[in-house]
Amino acid sequence: QSVLTQPPSASGTPGQRVTISCSGSSSNIGSEAVNWYQQLPGTAPKLLIYTDNQRPSGVPDRFSGSKSGTSASLAISGLQSEDEADFYCAAWDDSLNAYVFGTGTKVTVL
Amino acid sequence: EVQLVQSGAEVKKPGESLKISCKGSGYSFNIHWIAWVRQMPGKGLEWMGIIYPGDSDTRYSPSFQGQVTISADESISTAYLQWNSLKASDTAIYYCARQARYSTGWDAFDIWGQGTMVTVSS
Repeated sequence: QSVLTQPPSASGTPGQRVTISCSGSSSNIGSEAVNWYQQLPGTAPKLLIYTDNQRPSGVPDRFSGSKSGTSASLAISGLQSEDEADFYCAAWDDSLNAYVFGTGTKVTVL
Repeated sequence: EVQLVQSGAEVKKPGESLKISCKGSGYSFNIHWIAWVRQMPGKGLEWMGIIYPGDSDTRYSPSFQGQVTISADESISTAYLQWNSLKASDTAIYYCARQARYSTGWDAFDIWGQGTMVTVSS
């Protein structure tokens, strides 16, 4: 039972824009940086976005992150078939004194 | 190349002990925290704890405190995750991940191991 809540699924056709939400609280998203991880089927997670909206080198600019208050969002523009994966938000939680991952969102390309 | 390479899959019986490893290469192992993350079958990611190999400072998630032991040997650039008495519910993939400090001043897990599948069954 994660303290960061994401929709279980999201979908779109190739080229569409998909947005994934991540809802938290003042002890995590509201006061700490949010990171996003992408997990392709059968592989280890990969860092997609760090510190709310920064892309590591090599991550396409189709992926963007934002944060407002106690919620964060990941947007995928120009959806591609290779974007089919599970996506997780994550942040440190000051109350739990632990790093917490979101519940995860499975993105399907129709 | 910066990488974390984990030990191979394990099949154990309930009550047995186990220690899995995560070996870093291509960077200064002792100056980056290493975290362990559990993924139960078909489920999401759970942060178990983290260790600083330089001085073995270790922090545990309250959910895993007392259930596992995290350790490291900086001389061989390896971190470990250990159980004294496995349960069927420990069946999962376990990932190690390097924590990096970015210019923003915040941290993220930038390098991940390939994962170690642990199966506990009688």
